[in-house]
Amino acid sequence: EPEVTQTPSHQVTQMGQEVILRCVPISNHLYFYWYRQILGQKVEFLVSFYNNEISEKSEIFDDQFSVERPDGSNFTLKIRSTKLEDSAMYFCASSETRAAYNEQFFGPGTRLTVL
Amino acid sequence: RKEVEQDPGPFNVPEGATVAFNCTYSNSASQSFFWYRQDCRKEPKLLMSVYSSGNEDGRFTAQLNRASQYISLLIRDSKLSDSATYLCVVNKVTGGGNKLTFGTGTQLKVEL
Repeated sequence: EPEVTQTPSHQVTQMGQEVILRCVPISNHLYFYWYRQILGQKVEFLVSFYNNEISEKSEIFDDQFSVERPDGSNFTLKIRSTKLEDSAMYFCASSETRAAYNEQFFGPGTRLTVL
Repeated sequence: RKEVEQDPGPFNVPEGATVAFNCTYSNSASQSFFWYRQDCRKEPKLLMSVYSSGNEDGRFTAQLNRASQYISLLIRDSKLSDSATYLCVVNKVTGGGNKLTFGTGTQLKVEL
């Protein structure tokens, strides 16, 4: 069964460092998303990406964040200068269409710890 | 008012029990509705979509009341393996896809 994959599973970084979280969406999917979940809190939407551009972003997704699809398979989230409060689980998701009931498939997540 | 509101629980129930979860949402423009399941430190996984007509999948029944902006999930004959956090999720379709808004989740613990 096709699945979304993410690397690394756990990333530890120092405050102020740049991190890149990587995702490989399901191959025939066209819509890509990043969500985050701070420990003990709800899953929060960060950004959606379609046709090589950001289509929507939340207030959390400020200038420190960027996304890119550098090739035909990878989808990355970059945090330019990490802060302690960026520590969270980051989930990538993808969907085939934007039909209202089209399922978003989530990857296993990358746990980011900022020290 | 929170966009998606759920009772956080935990709900501790014996095996075989029936348990019901409720959820309310504030954005009347929401277009589709789901229950996801999340195991500890894992990704959310779709349990079932929720339609206005109500729908059932085995032991699970979901209901949607758009007028009241209310969603429910009923689990019959609970199994130990049902222990997880159940996330109420509403969706708004945008030009570039679907934006899911999650509730904080309701924790279920099924005990022997």
